[in-house]
Amino acid sequence: DAKTTQPNSMESNEEEPVHLPCNHSTISGTDYIHWYRQLPSQGPEYVIHGLTSNVNNRMASLAIAEDRKSSTLILHRATLRDAAVYYCILRPTGSGGSNYKLTFGKGTLLTVNP
Amino acid sequence: DTGVSQDPRHKITKRGQNVTFRCDPISEHNRLYWYRQTLGQGPEFLTYFQNEAQLEKSRLLSDRFSAERPKGSFSTLEIQRTEQGDSAMYLCASSLRSELNYGYTFGSGTRLTVV
Repeated sequence: DAKTTQPNSMESNEEEPVHLPCNHSTISGTDYIHWYRQLPSQGPEYVIHGLTSNVNNRMASLAIAEDRKSSTLILHRATLRDAAVYYCILRPTGSGGSNYKLTFGKGTLLTVNP
Repeated sequence: DTGVSQDPRHKITKRGQNVTFRCDPISEHNRLYWYRQTLGQGPEFLTYFQNEAQLEKSRLLSDRFSAERPKGSFSTLEIQRTEQGDSAMYLCASSLRSELNYGYTFGSGTRLTVV
């Protein structure tokens, strides 16, 4: 499976924007970039995904580099409830292979200060 | 439908005992997954069902582990002769087959402690 690299931890202040980076230099053309987050004592929660273009939804925005070797999850105004571990995952979509499987790394622990 | 339900939320067992966990996926989801998560690590894939068929088992799933999904609805994960190394959070997730590029829905997990 293609691998991702994320910082172990980041800090932010409440109501400020947060930019969570992810490097995926070995990404293939058919890999989607998925982000999940895991709040304390909860299972992971889907946040957003994209292929080439930047994506927005109610939770966050995903900015994808032109060469697709990196991406950034953007939380526009962090709240205390956004404190979680954020996982960047590459999900293959080609026929065959394990395209149903999510391979998690250790993620980035985001701390939000009041 | 309130999402993926897992039962129990917590389980403490003595080494050598058998334990069984249950997962109720979102009703229209035909794919179901089990993951295991230890402290400080991301979840690790254990096994995957499409309807009632178990299509893949990770090498992490030793012979002491068995998972079933009768009638393609709820699933159970049984661990026989538990060991201390089995202590972890066991997570269940479900998805629609057509949602290859969309998100899974995870349950809140069952935390197993083997003493």
